[in-house]
Amino acid sequence: EIVLTQSPDFQSVTPKEKVTITCRASQSIGSDLHWYQQKPDQSPKLLIKYASQSFSGVPSRFSGSGSGTDFTLIINSLEAEDAATYYCHQSSSLPHTFGQGTKLEIK
Amino acid sequence: EVQMVESGGGLVKPGGSLRLSCAASGFTFSNAWMNWVRQAPGKGLEWVGRIKSKPSGGTTDYAAPVKGRFTVSRDDSINTVYLQMNSLKTEDTAVYYCSTGGYFFDFWGQGTLVTVSS
Repeated sequence: EIVLTQSPDFQSVTPKEKVTITCRASQSIGSDLHWYQQKPDQSPKLLIKYASQSFSGVPSRFSGSGSGTDFTLIINSLEAEDAATYYCHQSSSLPHTFGQGTKLEIK
Repeated sequence: EVQMVESGGGLVKPGGSLRLSCAASGFTFSNAWMNWVRQAPGKGLEWVGRIKSKPSGGTTDYAAPVKGRFTVSRDDSINTVYLQMNSLKTEDTAVYYCSTGGYFFDFWGQGTLVTVSS
């Protein structure tokens, strides 16, 4: 099973700040890495697929990069509505696995 | 508009069974690979299992903790995917989401809560 490790686990940030969340895979997964946003009491929403492709309707301040074992989600100019937990997910091999999540708090 | 509505959750005793349903609309269900993902209270996301579309073979895959106890099935005539859960354990307590997608999960339902407790 491929283990995904996100950092940080928690971050308190101010609006307009740039946020970087990383996801490291226990073995190479190519670009089979996806990012989701989950707000409290809501279901997850897809942000980025295949490491860097934005999903339809996602604001342009969200971007992703990386390949192999190291991936990054960047949120440029953070907005208050971006308070959420962010998860990475790999589909390179079964079972699908998720990172443990990164909770963003807006100051 | 894509919509997926889960139902069937509730309180069940350890060792019991439950069947969850996920009714989908707004896309060509018969071509979609469907997944179940769960989230224990206050915890992260865990993939449970999936069923491929019939054109892709209609086969199923499961996570190790549920293999042999849970079964995913689908009825394309009514755009519904099911999760049959048997021999439930307290650690199966979670919100269960259905989602579309073979690789990335592009749409999710609102989830249904399953509580396994005596």
